[in-house]
Amino acid sequence: SQTIHQWPATLVQPVGSPLSLECTVEGTSNPNLYWYRQAAGRGLQLLFYSVGIGQISSEVPQNLSASRPQDRQFILSSKKLLLSDSGFYLCAWRGDSRNGYTFGYFGSGTRLTVV
Amino acid sequence: TQLLEQSPQFLSIQEGENLTVYCNSSSVFSSLQWYRQEPGEGPVLLVTVVTGGEVKKLKRLTFQFGDARKDSSLHITAAQPGDTGLYLCAGAPYNNLFFGTGTRLTVIP
Repeated sequence: SQTIHQWPATLVQPVGSPLSLECTVEGTSNPNLYWYRQAAGRGLQLLFYSVGIGQISSEVPQNLSASRPQDRQFILSSKKLLLSDSGFYLCAWRGDSRNGYTFGYFGSGTRLTVV
Repeated sequence: TQLLEQSPQFLSIQEGENLTVYCNSSSVFSSLQWYRQEPGEGPVLLVTVVTGGEVKKLKRLTFQFGDARKDSSLHITAAQPGDTGLYLCAGAPYNNLFFGTGTRLTVIP
């Protein structure tokens, strides 16, 4: 079965410090991977998605970047964090059922607080 | 650009009441999904609707896909405190997976 791992679960970082959040997927190959950010109690804002190694699409210009160094690894980074980068970050893998349905499997999320 | 708008944004009801949450878009989707999310966790898929006009039932939850495949609704019958959570609709145009603005449901015992 497919599983998705995301870490760390919580992170407190000072303004101006770098960031690296990692997401790995098991049990599938060549997955579409996504990074989302969620404000408290609201919907998910799509930040980046990747359809393959080295292929990154950015949905919203901001202080973040993403990389996909391996097929099942997706990394979210920042060189210098801003206060506005605080939020709940979620990694997701897009699955396709035998009938062609598309759905998302999510990691457990990272709560980032920039202080 | 927000592709999916949900309403209401917040909903607080008494246990046993019925409710409906709406998900609307100006875009046509090949399918729409509904998720529920608990605090501090990732969303969990509830259902996928594919055919225009399709109705799917999951116990007390009824999901409907609009005839034009631009909108969907979630109806909960006799809500229970365990239904409390954030409900999200999502669509997947091309390689993306976009989520709605979310509906925060609170069911009061």
